[in-house]
Amino acid sequence: AQSVTQLDSQVPVFEEAPVELRCNYSSSVSVYLFWYVQYPNQGLQLLLKYLSGSTLVKGINGFEAEFNKSQTSFHLRKPSVHISDTAEYFCAVRKGGSEKLVFGKGTKLTVNP
Amino acid sequence: DAGVIQSPRHEVTEMGQEVTLRCKPISGHDYLFWYRQTMMRGLELLIYFNNNVPIDDSGMPEDRFSAKMPNASFSTLKIQPSEPRDSAVYFCASSSPLGTGKNEQFFGPGTRLTVL
Repeated sequence: AQSVTQLDSQVPVFEEAPVELRCNYSSSVSVYLFWYVQYPNQGLQLLLKYLSGSTLVKGINGFEAEFNKSQTSFHLRKPSVHISDTAEYFCAVRKGGSEKLVFGKGTKLTVNP
Repeated sequence: DAGVIQSPRHEVTEMGQEVTLRCKPISGHDYLFWYRQTMMRGLELLIYFNNNVPIDDSGMPEDRFSAKMPNASFSTLKIQPSEPRDSAVYFCASSSPLGTGKNEQFFGPGTRLTVL
């Protein structure tokens, strides 16, 4: 079965600093990878996804992620964060041929002034 | 489109009562998913449907939980009888393998259930 590990449960950073949220997944023949963001008391919203092609994926709100097959990682990055980026971020994996998403435990990003 | 719609947004009930959560997926989406989110277990897939047919219910915790999708625009998740450990936020999501948002699951705002 697929699994996703988000190594950091909480990440505090200062405004305008860069941030990286780490995600590793269990290996499979073909996988699709996603990052979702959840603001307080809201549902999940897709930030970006990797299906195929370029390993560097750009998403909304200035976020990007890089798919690294050899390290089975899909880390999320932003060069300069804002207060409004404070939220919980979830990495998810979907095995090719399946519609099921498996989510990591989430990383709470707190951006401080 | 209004997105995925869930009702109620909040539900407080007493142990032993029946609880019904409702979901309206995005029009044209043929997959519908029910998730449960708790602090301890994170986000768990309970069941998903394709074209109104349940495909995988392996995540349904026990017989007290049941889900139906009588038509393409409506699904329910029922808990009978409810227990305090069922307290969680329940999300509904829908997706389509076609179109510009293909392979993306669109989530509703969730129902926060509290069982006293």
